[in-house]
Formats: sequence, structure tokens, C-alpha cells
Amino acid sequence: KQEVTQIPAALSVPEGENLVLNCSFTDSAIYNLQWFRQDPGKGLTSLLLIQSSQREQTSGRLNASLDKSSGRSTLYIAASQPGDSATYLCAVPTDSWGKLQFGAGTQVVVTP
Amino acid sequence: NAGVMQNPRHLVRRRGQEARLRCSPMKGHSHVYWYRQLPEEGLKFMVYLQKENIIDESGMPKERFSAEFPKEGPSILRIQQVVRGDSAAYFCASSPPAGRNTGELFFGEGSRLTVL
Repeated sequence: KQEVTQIPAALSVPEGENLVLNCSFTDSAIYNLQWFRQDPGKGLTSLLLIQSSQREQTSGRLNASLDKSSGRSTLYIAASQPGDSATYLCAVPTDSWGKLQFGAGTQVVVTP
Repeated sequence: NAGVMQNPRHLVRRRGQEARLRCSPMKGHSHVYWYRQLPEEGLKFMVYLQKENIIDESGMPKERFSAEFPKEGPSILRIQQVVRGDSAAYFCASSPPAGRNTGELFFGEGSRLTVL
């Protein structure tokens, strides 16, 4: 059974620092891995999707890497801003693309 | 280009009443998924539907919960005889049909159910 773990559970950094968020999964036979952002009381916003054949994916200040063999993905957010404060979730599909197994998330606070 | 639309955003019910949550997928999407986020817990898969078909309901509680995605209209998640433990945020997600599907899911803003 696939298990997804996110460390740390919470993170507080001053504005301008780079953020490093970790996601690990137990079954390396994944189709893809998706990173989401969730603001309090809001839905999930898709940030990056990495296909199993890719090593990394970039969008603006965000970069996500994927190492299937070690069961890990890392989300890097460069030059953090207070607007980056949110909970970040990673998820991998299980036996169908839309049946995602989510991590518990990393709650990020960026202080001005 | 509207995203996934869910309503109501907030719903309050008394124990024993019924709750109906609606989800309209993104335009061109034919796959709908429902997830539940209990307080202080992570998101859990409930059910996967295509038009007029339930594909996977392995995450649905065995009793009181049902889902449908009719030929016309939104997908509906129905909870009968609600109990306090049903209080949660219910999220709907959609994806395009096979052939245009990259595996990316798009989520709605959620419906927050409170059972008094």
C-alpha cells in the first residue's frame, strides 16, 4: 500500500530565504507526482506535475525534483515571499490516475 | 474558462438530515473525483465517476453515502442521515478524458459541511 510522508510538518522562514519541502513515497512504481498548494479554507491549486519519466519540473520560482528509485520528491521555492504562506501537499496516484494518495502536508509561514 | 465549480461552499445540517453537494467539472473534463478532508486529517479519496458510471467507489463509507454523475448536470455527492463525524471539507476534482489526460487533477474550492 502506497504511503506518502511529508517532512517537515511545519516550517517558518523569513522573507527572501529559499524553501525546501520534502515528500517521500514507499512504492516507487508511480505514474507521476503532483504538488499542490492549499490556502486556509480554500481548495487545492495545482503547482507542478512531474511525470515518472522526468527528473524535474520548473515553473517560475518553483522547482520540483523526482527521484523514483529513492522514493523522494523535493519542492524548492526560491526567494520566498509572504504570499507563499500556505500548506503544500504532494500526492501520487495509486491504481488509477485520479485516485491520489496525499501526504499530510507542510504548513509554511513566510514572515516579512 | 471556469474551473471546477462546487456548491454550496458551506452547508450546515442537523443530525439526521440529508446533505447534497454538487460539482461541475471543468469544461471538456469527463472524469470526476470526490475527496474528503476531515479536521486535522489529510485528503482521502472517496469515489471516481465518469458520466453515468461509478468507476471506483472504494473510498466511500459503506452506508449513507452515494454519488452520481448523470448524463446532464453536475455530479452529486449525497450523504443521508448525517452525523457529527461527517463534518468535513468535501472536494471535487476533474480531469480530461483519456487521450488528453496528463494525470493532472484540478480541484474545486470545496464544500464545507458542518453537522450540528
